[in-house]
Amino acid sequence: GAVVSQHPSWVICKSGTSVKIECRSLDFQATTMFWYRQFPKQSLMLMATSNEGSKATYEQGVEKDKFLINHASLTLSTLTVTSAHPEDSSFYICSASTTASSTDTQYFGPGTRLTVL
Amino acid sequence: AQRVTQPEKLLSVFKGAPVELKCNYSYSGSPELFWYVQYSRQRLQLLLRHISRESIKGFTADLNKGETSFHLKKPFAQEEDSAMYYCALKGAQKLVFGQGTRLTINP
Repeated sequence: GAVVSQHPSWVICKSGTSVKIECRSLDFQATTMFWYRQFPKQSLMLMATSNEGSKATYEQGVEKDKFLINHASLTLSTLTVTSAHPEDSSFYICSASTTASSTDTQYFGPGTRLTVL
Repeated sequence: AQRVTQPEKLLSVFKGAPVELKCNYSYSGSPELFWYVQYSRQRLQLLLRHISRESIKGFTADLNKGETSFHLKKPFAQEEDSAMYYCALKGAQKLVFGQGTRLTINP
């Protein structure tokens, strides 16, 4: 149980286009989902916390207009990278928690590798 | 501010030898500490959490508030323990990860 999927697993896009990444909790309802970014050989950096039915909370330094997050249901959150540039190339990982306070275990998705040409 | 430090990026030990992955944290409140593991080509998964005080796959970790440490230990390393290990701290509603330590167990 507690499986989180991400789609796509990898994507290549042209500079200036937008890319949508989906994060789904397959067998549980996730009131809270988290989006992380991981650069090569570096740690995971939290980008934003997404609560179902409300606006996402972004970490300092993360542009909310560039990284649009939607958590429309208890099983789906999406991250849209708008007007992507090569510096947005990274590994994006989502996780899901079963309680709104996120005190429970976070279950991680497999990640999405974004390459912007 | 929350901060997690894993001083060793790489750690290599022989099979059967003891393993200790270091983790130090900085947090003004009462922290929750975790160890996550990522095996080759697999997703990140929880290994253990300090509040559980349990041993998973032979690994244990004790929270030392005096030294602000949460080192991960295993008395006898196995080849399947080779992986990337991340220490994480949950403070104000979010997880902060250390830089990670890549553990390699040599046969």
